[in-house]
Amino acid sequence: QVQLVQSGAEVKKPGASVKVSCKASGYTFTSYDINWVRQATGQGLEWMGWMNPNSGNTGYAQKFQGRVTMTRNTSISTAYMELSSLRSEDTAVYYCARGGSSSVMDVWGQGTTVTVSS
Amino acid sequence: SYVLTQPPSVSVAPGQTARITCGGNNIGSKSVHWYQQKPGQAPVLVVYDDSDRPSGIPERFSGSNSGNTATLTISRVEAGDEADYYCQVWDSSSDHPYVVFGGGTKLTVL
Repeated sequence: QVQLVQSGAEVKKPGASVKVSCKASGYTFTSYDINWVRQATGQGLEWMGWMNPNSGNTGYAQKFQGRVTMTRNTSISTAYMELSSLRSEDTAVYYCARGGSSSVMDVWGQGTTVTVSS
Repeated sequence: SYVLTQPPSVSVAPGQTARITCGGNNIGSKSVHWYQQKPGQAPVLVVYDDSDRPSGIPERFSGSNSGNTATLTISRVEAGDEADYYCQVWDSSSDHPYVVFGGGTKLTVL
């Protein structure tokens, strides 16, 4: 079955970077975009950006420009999201989601909790 | 920037119909997607492209979109439908296209 499996929880200090992975299975990895969405506790969904695994092209939300990098390794069907210069406000659950036409996100990873604390 | 407005909460009795709105400027010209999220779980797509349902989603879930309002309708509401619901569009009107989510609506089944 189609699924996205993310890496485990992370605890980071302010100013550090975090890299979250998202491994795809059950479909052709390069045929669909990967989006990254985060959600702080008790808050709504916040889109961070997308990546085309085939070309490597990316598009980032303006809020995260300069701090986020989305990459992939097609040989292992895995996408990555790296967020740098972490601050406490970045504490959230980070999701990857498969993207289709009109930016629909039809398959989601289980989420990765990132905690930023000194 | 494009804004999607949802009511914070909607309450409905079991067996009744719940309607969750999503307001946006000329949203009828965009494709709207809806997600259901239960506590501690990842979101699940329940309606896409205004009114289509992914496989496995009950027919009780339907959607419409016209003018400045999109609506998710849940018929014959069940206790298991209690969740947060989010609408989402792709805004390509600016030089920097991006995904927009509504603020979310908590559906309470009385």
